[in-house]
Amino acid sequence: DARVTQTPRHKVTEMGQEVTMRCQPILGHNTVFWYRQTMMQGLELLAYFRNRAPLDDSGMPKDRFSAEMPDATLATLKIQPSEPRDSAVYFCASGLLGRELFFGEGSRLTVL
Amino acid sequence: DAKTTQPPSMDCAEGRAANLPCNHSTISGNEYVYWYRQIHSQGPQYIIHGLKNNETNEMASLIITEDRKSSTLILPHATLRDTAVYYCIVIPNSGYALNFGKGTSLLVTP
Repeated sequence: DARVTQTPRHKVTEMGQEVTMRCQPILGHNTVFWYRQTMMQGLELLAYFRNRAPLDDSGMPKDRFSAEMPDATLATLKIQPSEPRDSAVYFCASGLLGRELFFGEGSRLTVL
Repeated sequence: DAKTTQPPSMDCAEGRAANLPCNHSTISGNEYVYWYRQIHSQGPQYIIHGLKNNETNEMASLIITEDRKSSTLILPHATLRDTAVYYCIVIPNSGYALNFGKGTSLLVTP
């Protein structure tokens, strides 16, 4: 089965450290999303790419977060420097425009 | 995005039908109703979506009222593995969800 692959599955780091999360979308999908899930805020959009171009990153703290798609098989979400409030589960999802999304298993981040 | 309202939690006996309601009274004409679910510690999983007609697939049925202001997701024979958080979201054609909300936590009991 084709699936969205995310790494790492779990990450524990100290405040101030750089964190990079990676996502391999399903081959052929032209949209890629990064969502963050916390108990308080639920599942909220951080960034949206279509055909590798960033179209919406309004939900992302610009000063410390960055999202890129260096090629069609890789999307990255970077936090530098990380803070305890960034602790959450980060999900990547991919799909075809206007169709359902396929989510990865998530990257659980804990910032101490 | 049109806002949706779902009950925070529901229970259902195994083998019975689970009917999960969703209110989306401000939905626009070009917005679809999507349902996803999230089993504990997993990523959300697509279930079904519709515009105005009722829809059925191998997982569930979606009933949308004629005025489109509410809908019901039906799991016809709930199993313990259907225990999950169910999200109802409204998305415009070729659009995407900014927030999935808190959903309904469904507990299927033996």
